Amino acid sequence: QSVLTQPRSVSGSPGQSVIISCSGTSSDVGAFNSVSWYQQHPGKGPKLIIYDVTKWPSGVPDRFSGSKSGNTASLTISGLQAQDEADYYCCSYAGGYSRWVFGGGTKLTVL
Amino acid sequence: EVQLVESGGGLVQPGGSLRLSCAASGFTVSGNHMYWVRQAPDRGLEWVSILYSDGTTYYPDSVKGRFTISRDTSKNTVYLQMNSLRGDDTAVYYCAREVPHAVHFDYWGHGTLVTVSS
Repeated sequence: QSVLTQPRSVSGSPGQSVIISCSGTSSDVGAFNSVSWYQQHPGKGPKLIIYDVTKWPSGVPDRFSGSKSGNTASLTISGLQAQDEADYYCCSYAGGYSRWVFGGGTKLTVL
Repeated sequence: EVQLVESGGGLVQPGGSLRLSCAASGFTVSGNHMYWVRQAPDRGLEWVSILYSDGTTYYPDSVKGRFTISRDTSKNTVYLQMNSLRGDDTAVYYCAREVPHAVHFDYWGHGTLVTVSS
């Protein structure tokens, strides 16, 4: 069982927006502005798409955006495209002994 | 171009050992924090070892005393020695990089599958 809670699946039609939530605690998501999001296509390694809650790595389109409120972080994907269909994982620094905690992943289906 | 290429996975019996390798290019492993993160079938991600640039290592309780992370700077490669393997160690193992103080994993490898079964 993963430490951070994500919905198992979300779906949307091309052009629409979807939001994926990531619920943690005051010891991880709520304590640090170090939430990152990763996209994973089948058979591939994860790819960083958001870091430090809201920042984009070079090359990631601004259709992907991140936010945080209290102990819950969110990833918004706007203008859905077919290639966005993938698994998405959130991650938070937790410090201390836990170090890093991950979500269980959310499967995005583009209808 | 930054690349991480894992190798060494395979089928091993319970109680057995395996050594995974992560060959890095485009940067030096000694100047960065290196991780092994695993993904069990139909489960999320779990970090299993950390090797900081200063040589400090960390492990979660689930693998402490059984797994050892190390690096060979002459080969620019990170290793994960896994001993006393159990069925719940079955997973795809990924190598990942954290630039010091960046607090996220900016590059990941493609992973290598470890199956522990008799």
